[in-house]
Amino acid sequence: AQSVTQPDIHITVSEGASLELRCNYSYGATPYLFWYVQSPGQGLQLLLKYFSGDTLVQGIKGFEAEFKRSQSSFNLRKPSVHWSDAAEYFCAVGADTDKLIFGTGTRLQVFP
Amino acid sequence: EPEVTQTPSHQVTQMGQEVILRCVPISNHLYFYWYRQILGQKVEFLVSFYNNEISEKSEIFDDQFSVERPDGSNFTLKIRSTKLEDSAMYFCASSENGGRSNQPQHFGDGTRLSIL
Repeated sequence: AQSVTQPDIHITVSEGASLELRCNYSYGATPYLFWYVQSPGQGLQLLLKYFSGDTLVQGIKGFEAEFKRSQSSFNLRKPSVHWSDAAEYFCAVGADTDKLIFGTGTRLQVFP
Repeated sequence: EPEVTQTPSHQVTQMGQEVILRCVPISNHLYFYWYRQILGQKVEFLVSFYNNEISEKSEIFDDQFSVERPDGSNFTLKIRSTKLEDSAMYFCASSENGGRSNQPQHFGDGTRLSIL
């Protein structure tokens, strides 16, 4: 069965520091991979997606993610974090069917 | 940019009552979904809907739940007899295509359902 693991429940970084949020998936073939962000009281906003092709994908708000098949990973990165990036980040996988399978999320806290 | 809209933003209901959550998907989208997120837990798939019928549902989506597209714009989730454990944030999503396509799902802001 497909699954997604986000090993970091909570990450704290200083504003301006670089960021990497980890995501590992379990799926037999090449999955469709997504990162969504959820600000407090808000819905899920799509940051970026990977379907095929270039394994480094660019998203909105300066985020990027790299698909590494050998590591079954799809880590999210940002070179310089802004205070407004504080939110919950969810990695999700789309596999054989219509549904998305989400990880448990990583809460990002940004200190000035 | 077109978006998915959900109403109400917060619904408080007595246990055992029926509740209907409403969603207006993006207009040219053909696939519709409901997910829920119990406080502090991950987002879980409930059901997908295409061509006026359920295409997939999870084990959570039991006989107490139903979905409907009553007209050309609305997509609703009904819980027939609510239980305390139904308290959660319910998200509606839509996509142009489903399954193994390159069109992502777009989510609404959610309806927070509180069962008393």
